[in-house]
Amino acid sequence: LAKTTQPISMDSYEGQEVNITCSHNNIATNDYITWYQQFPSQGPRFIIQGYKTKVTNEVASLFIPADRKSSTLSLPRVSLSDTAVYYCLVGEGAGRRALTFGSGTRLQVQP
Amino acid sequence: DVKVTQSSRYLVKRTGEKVFLECVQDMDHENMFWYRQDPGLGLRLIYFSYDVKMKEKGDIPEGYSVSREKKERFSLILESASTNQTSMYLCASSFGLEDGYTFGSGTRLTVV
Repeated sequence: LAKTTQPISMDSYEGQEVNITCSHNNIATNDYITWYQQFPSQGPRFIIQGYKTKVTNEVASLFIPADRKSSTLSLPRVSLSDTAVYYCLVGEGAGRRALTFGSGTRLQVQP
Repeated sequence: DVKVTQSSRYLVKRTGEKVFLECVQDMDHENMFWYRQDPGLGLRLIYFSYDVKMKEKGDIPEGYSVSREKKERFSLILESASTNQTSMYLCASSFGLEDGYTFGSGTRLTVV
């Protein structure tokens, strides 16, 4: 399974755009890139998933360059409630392989 | 609203006890997973199942077993609980890659 590297922590202020970059140099052809969000004392929550280029939903955008060796989760205009741990995962997911979570990026949003 | 339900939010057990952690999903998902989460270590996969009565070892299966007799239920069993199994246990399910994983709220197990 492709290993991912992401920053341990990030700080931001309310109203700012936050970009969290994840490196996955060994990503395989069939691998998707998935991001999860986890609040304290809760299980992770699926945010967004992509294979290449750009994906956008009501929560975030995911930018994936052509070589797919990295990806960037973009959170527009963060609020205090976006304070959480964000995980970047790479893999085929369901089926015969399960996703491996790293330690994630702890995002702290200040007023 | 689709759900993954873990039977207990908090659990305290004694060393050597056999412990059952239950997980039920109502989404008719094929795949179910058990992770444990410890500070600084992220989530680590214990076991997963891609079909009824099927199971696959994850990264840290030692000291654990699982049971999936019905599609909606996936049980994690600690054969003889030890203090190093004190952790947050998270169950998840998924239908396919497109949907991502849906997690339960977790069971915080303390082994004394």
